[in-house]
Amino acid sequence: KQEVTQIPAALSVPEGENLVLNCSFTDSAIYNLQWFRQDPGKGLTSLLLIQSSQREQTSGRLNASLDKSSGRSTLYIAASQPGDSATYLCAVPLSGGGADGLTFGKGTHLIIQP
Amino acid sequence: GAVVSQHPSWVICKSGTSVKIECRSLDFQATTMFWYRQFPKQSLMLMATSNEGSKATYEQGVEKDKFLINHASLTLSTLTVTSAHPEDSSFYICSASAGGFDYEQYFGPGTRLTVT
Repeated sequence: KQEVTQIPAALSVPEGENLVLNCSFTDSAIYNLQWFRQDPGKGLTSLLLIQSSQREQTSGRLNASLDKSSGRSTLYIAASQPGDSATYLCAVPLSGGGADGLTFGKGTHLIIQP
Repeated sequence: GAVVSQHPSWVICKSGTSVKIECRSLDFQATTMFWYRQFPKQSLMLMATSNEGSKATYEQGVEKDKFLINHASLTLSTLTVTSAHPEDSSFYICSASAGGFDYEQYFGPGTRLTVT
């Protein structure tokens, strides 16, 4: 059964710092991996999707990497801003297939101090 | 593009009543829709997967007779919580996928259900 772990559970840093969020998964046979952002009481905003054949994806100040063989992904946030404060979730397909529902980590609760 | 809506955004109902939540893909056709549940301070848990015109597939531990899912068209799926109880109070979020190469899922804004 696929399990996703995210470290750290919470992180508080001053504005402007670069930071790294970590995600690990137990079954390396994944189709893709998605990073999401969730604001309190809200739904999910998709940040980046990495296919199993890719090693990284970039969008603005965000860069996500994927090392499938070791079961790890990182989300790098450059020049953090207070507006980046949210919970960041990592997710992979439940059973490895692209058409499957997702299994999520518990998230990293990020606070960027102005 | 790729917008998913949910209605209502929040609902309060009395114990024993039923409540229906709608999930719509506004600008694409969703071959598959998913329903998730999120309890306070926990992550999302997949409840069921539905394909248009087919019966939904429920995850282990999810009662199919309590959580009725209908995926009548490529843009609409509904989740009906029947005979709701306070322990069903949760945040319900749907997602939709158009399939294709990357199978990316697009999430709705969620529905907060409170059963009194």
